[in-house]
Amino acid sequence: AQTVTQSQPEMSVQEAETVTLSCTYDTSESDYYLFWYKQPPSRQMILVIRQEAYKQQNATENRFSVNFQKAAKSFSLKISDSQLGDAAMYFCAYRSADSPGTYKYIFGTGTRLKVLA
Amino acid sequence: EAGVAQSPRYKIIEKRQSVAFWCNPISGHATLYWYQQILGQGPKLLIQFQNNGVVDDSQLPKDRFSAERLKGVDSTLKIQPAKLEDSAVYLCASSFGTGMDTIYFGEGSWLTVV
Repeated sequence: AQTVTQSQPEMSVQEAETVTLSCTYDTSESDYYLFWYKQPPSRQMILVIRQEAYKQQNATENRFSVNFQKAAKSFSLKISDSQLGDAAMYFCAYRSADSPGTYKYIFGTGTRLKVLA
Repeated sequence: EAGVAQSPRYKIIEKRQSVAFWCNPISGHATLYWYQQILGQGPKLLIQFQNNGVVDDSQLPKDRFSAERLKGVDSTLKIQPAKLEDSAVYLCASSFGTGMDTIYFGEGSWLTVV
């Protein structure tokens, strides 16, 4: 069974600085997708960035980028120029690719990010 | 584009009572998920539908939880009787269910069992 591990329960970053959130996963599949979701206090999960396992190039979305190391099964999120609005829980998620319609998303336990003014 | 709609947003019930949550997914999304998120934890999948068929309900406590998805669109999650440990946020999510797919979440239904 696939697992997702986030070993940092909480992280802090100074406004305008850069922070990296860690995520490791375990799977025997070769084809899968990885995601980072942001969950503010309102609890609505918002997609931050996603990565296709067969792509070597790391995904980037504005100030958010990932460091995807497939062999090491590592998928970290880097937030550059941190803003107060980035403060939230961040969840790493794995999506298997068994077959269309049966995609299963597995979430880590989350990392709470605090942004200090 | 309208997002995933859930209701009610908040519910407080006594243990042994029943409660039902409703979800309306994004139009055209074939796959619908119900997640349970206990405070301080990540979402845990309770049940996954593909259209109106159940794909995975392995973590659904079937002695007290039930869910249905009528006509492959709206879904209802019911808890009866509720226990204290059911206090959580119940997140509904949906996706197209094909290809490079992204899951979209509703705002969640907060349940407190006292």
